[in-house]
Amino acid sequence: DTGVSQNPRHKITKRGQNVTFRCDPISEHNRLYWYRQTLGQGPEFLTYFQNEAQLEKSRLLSDRFSAERPKGSFSTLEIQRTEQGDSAMYLCASSWGLSQETQYFGPGTRLLVL
Amino acid sequence: GEDVEQSLFLSVREGDSSVINCTYTDSSSTYLYWYKQEPGAGLQLLTYIFSNMDMKQDQRLTVLLNKKDKHLSLRIADTQTGDSAIYFCAESTGTASKLTFGTGTRLQVTL
Repeated sequence: DTGVSQNPRHKITKRGQNVTFRCDPISEHNRLYWYRQTLGQGPEFLTYFQNEAQLEKSRLLSDRFSAERPKGSFSTLEIQRTEQGDSAMYLCASSWGLSQETQYFGPGTRLLVL
Repeated sequence: GEDVEQSLFLSVREGDSSVINCTYTDSSSTYLYWYKQEPGAGLQLLTYIFSNMDMKQDQRLTVLLNKKDKHLSLRIADTQTGDSAIYFCAESTGTASKLTFGTGTRLQVTL
């Protein structure tokens, strides 16, 4: 088990372009979370999946953001028409839903929008 | 709403104990966590405590929870230079629940 992986690790894009990030959770984990972390802040929740169902979305997740987890395994987070304010670290976490749920985080994808 | 607060910075000498503090506002918090983040990296889970406990010890780490005051602390014994990082306190209200993080405390360990 290699833990949660995320690709790419870094992405530089121009304002207005679309970007897509991928997260591969720990293999037996049924829950997958996306968070965003800006400089000097703690991570903020964006959205969460249980298997392939997207069960909760934050108000931070504007219409330009979409996340999928088509087969209940890996997930993608797409940002359309990127803005400079989207520059942040995007973190993915996964967990196995039992009575105590511990979320394990990936290394993150750092996005810079020029 | 939920709010988690931490002091921004702590400097300790190698070998001393570090105590990082956190306060939270959500009285329905069920689990409280400590994560460590090194520069440019993701978050590493250090330990967690259930809200009906008041203390948990795990090797060099001791977590104290005062539920009445909604205060959580992390004590690191015999702090090493490798402990230099940002430490985040986080809370959740149970299963299938998002984590709410504090702003993080940067721990600097000096020789």
